Amino acid sequence: QSVLTQPPSASGTPGQRVTISCSGSSSNIGSSTVNWYQQLPGTAPKLLIYSNNQRPSGVPDRFSGSKSGTSASLAISGLQSEDEADYYCAAWDDSLNGWVFGGGTKVTVL
Amino acid sequence: EVQLVESGGGLVQPGGSLRLSCSASGFAFSRYAMHWVRQAPGKGVEYVSGINSNGGKTYYADSVKGRFTISRDNSKNTLYVQMSSLRAEDTAVYYCVKGSWRDSDFYFDYWGQGTLVTVSS
Repeated sequence: QSVLTQPPSASGTPGQRVTISCSGSSSNIGSSTVNWYQQLPGTAPKLLIYSNNQRPSGVPDRFSGSKSGTSASLAISGLQSEDEADYYCAAWDDSLNGWVFGGGTKVTVL
Repeated sequence: EVQLVESGGGLVQPGGSLRLSCSASGFAFSRYAMHWVRQAPGKGVEYVSGINSNGGKTYYADSVKGRFTISRDNSKNTLYVQMSSLRAEDTAVYYCVKGSWRDSDFYFDYWGQGTLVTVSS
């Protein structure tokens, strides 16, 4: 059972917009910024979004992040086949004094 | 180019010990916090442990507290984790992860390719 809650799966057709939610509490998302990681099949995770809504250099602007209260979300607009991957949210937890991750969401492009 | 190369994984019996190493290059290793994150086969990622830039502060997940010890040698640009009293549930790919920050926001910006630890008799 992960501290941050994500839906196990999401899907869309090419070109559609897909949104992934990440729900936490006042000790993590409510008091910290949220980061998102993309894990393509067979590879290590890669930073996708940091500080709630910032994209590292090289990440397409199709990916966007937002946060409100104790929840955050990742949106993928103009879905492409290469976006098929697992996506994880993460935040610092003040109560646990450590980083916590969501359980991951598998995105499938239909 | 940032490179993180893990080593030391392998098969170990329950109750045994193993030390993982992570050789870092391409950045000023001594300026950044470093972390270990693991992923059990077919499962999600789980934070294991972290250490600040000078090694003076460490963090552990409850699942490994008292059994794992993280350390670093800034003169060798190397991160370690000493794992003892290993259990079957410690079986996972262990990733070495570089920490970073922007203002007061922290995140993991580079991940190694991982090393597999299998705990089995």
